[in-house]
Amino acid sequence: DIQMTQSPSSLSASVGDSVTITCRASQSIRIYLNWYQQKPGKAPKLLIYTASSLQRGVPSRFSGTGSGTDFTLTISSLQPEDFATYYCQQSYTTPLTFGGGTKVEIK
Amino acid sequence: QVQLQESGPGLVKSSETLSLTCSVSGDSISSDIYYWSWIRQPAGKGLEWIGRVSASGSTNYNPSLNSRVTISVDTSKSHFSLKLNSVTAADTAVYYCASWNAVPRYFDYWGQGAPVTVSS
Repeated sequence: DIQMTQSPSSLSASVGDSVTITCRASQSIRIYLNWYQQKPGKAPKLLIYTASSLQRGVPSRFSGTGSGTDFTLTISSLQPEDFATYYCQQSYTTPLTFGGGTKVEIK
Repeated sequence: QVQLQESGPGLVKSSETLSLTCSVSGDSISSDIYYWSWIRQPAGKGLEWIGRVSASGSTNYNPSLNSRVTISVDTSKSHFSLKLNSVTAADTAVYYCASWNAVPRYFDYWGQGAPVTVSS
């Protein structure tokens, strides 16, 4: 199985801050990396697919980069509705696997 | 636009079989771009992919659960199902059904989630 490791596991930030979350794969997954946002009690929501493509309807303050084994999700100007948990997920091969999550909290 | 809705018992006894159904509306369950998937999330923890089924009945499972899981599809009823046997407390989780869009390779639609508790 491909292991996905996210860092940090949690972070505190203020509205307007720029934050970056890192995801590392245990082997190359080319660009097959997705990012999801999950709020308490809700299902995950797709933000970014194939490493850097923004899903329709997702604000442009979200961006993704990377290829191979190292990927990042950046939120350029944190808004109140962005406080949530973020997961990366590799779509390169089955079993599909997720990172452990990064909880973004209000400072 | 696809809508997904999980249904099934919220409480299952240890060693018995967990059974959930996901009803699909808004798009055809027979679409060849989708794999119909199950994902679970224990309270306060991360997401685990359980497996998926295509409209033709082709399946892929997570090897960690492979021997205990069966996912099937009934296109006539526009639903797909999960069976997980020999459950233990470790199987207590929120179970989500989701559509895996095979072309861009992502989960684009999710159900609201069905909490399942395994009791002794």
